[in-house]
Amino acid sequence: SQKIEQNSEALNIQEGKTATLTCNYTNYSPAYLQWYRQDPGRGPVFLLLIRENEKEKRKERLKVTFDTTLKQSLFHITASQPADSATYLCVPNQAGTALIFGKGTTLSVSS
Amino acid sequence: DTGVSQDPRHKITKRGQNVTFRCDPISEHNRLYWYRQTLGQGPEFLTYFQNEAQLEKSRLLSDRFSAERPKGSFSTLEIQRTEQGDSAMYLCASSLAADNSPLHFGNGTRLTVT
Repeated sequence: SQKIEQNSEALNIQEGKTATLTCNYTNYSPAYLQWYRQDPGRGPVFLLLIRENEKEKRKERLKVTFDTTLKQSLFHITASQPADSATYLCVPNQAGTALIFGKGTTLSVSS
Repeated sequence: DTGVSQDPRHKITKRGQNVTFRCDPISEHNRLYWYRQTLGQGPEFLTYFQNEAQLEKSRLLSDRFSAERPKGSFSTLEIQRTEQGDSAMYLCASSLAADNSPLHFGNGTRLTVT
């Protein structure tokens, strides 16, 4: 069955450092992979989408990589700020199927 | 505000009662999704519609759950004979019909079954 593993349920880092979150998937052949941010008591918010033929995608302080051989995506936040504290969700996107979310990694950035 | 709206935000009900939640998607979005989320878990897929057609249902969705999208606009999710295990946040999302379209979520309905 399809499985998504987001390593580290919780990640604690200091302000200014780079946060790196990992997403591994099995039994998927996603054409895209999406990352969402979720704050407590709120619905997830879309951040970035990366296609299978893209190695890397950037948006402001965010960078996502997608390695279809390793079946892995890495999500980086550079120069992290306390406002980046949230849960980040990985979603491999296989055409024709509903989006299945990972469990998420909760990031805490301390000042 | 033209985002996804869900009503009510909170619902407390006694075990055995029926509850119904409503979702109003972004108006130009063809697809509408329902997810359930419990503490510490990611959103769990329940079902989705493209226009008024229900295209996929999770095997986890028991017979007590039913969803409708009668005119391809708003949707309702009904839970019959609620159980304590149904306590969760119920999230609705909408998107355009393309497979790579991001989901736009509402802020959910939190259900507590006592």
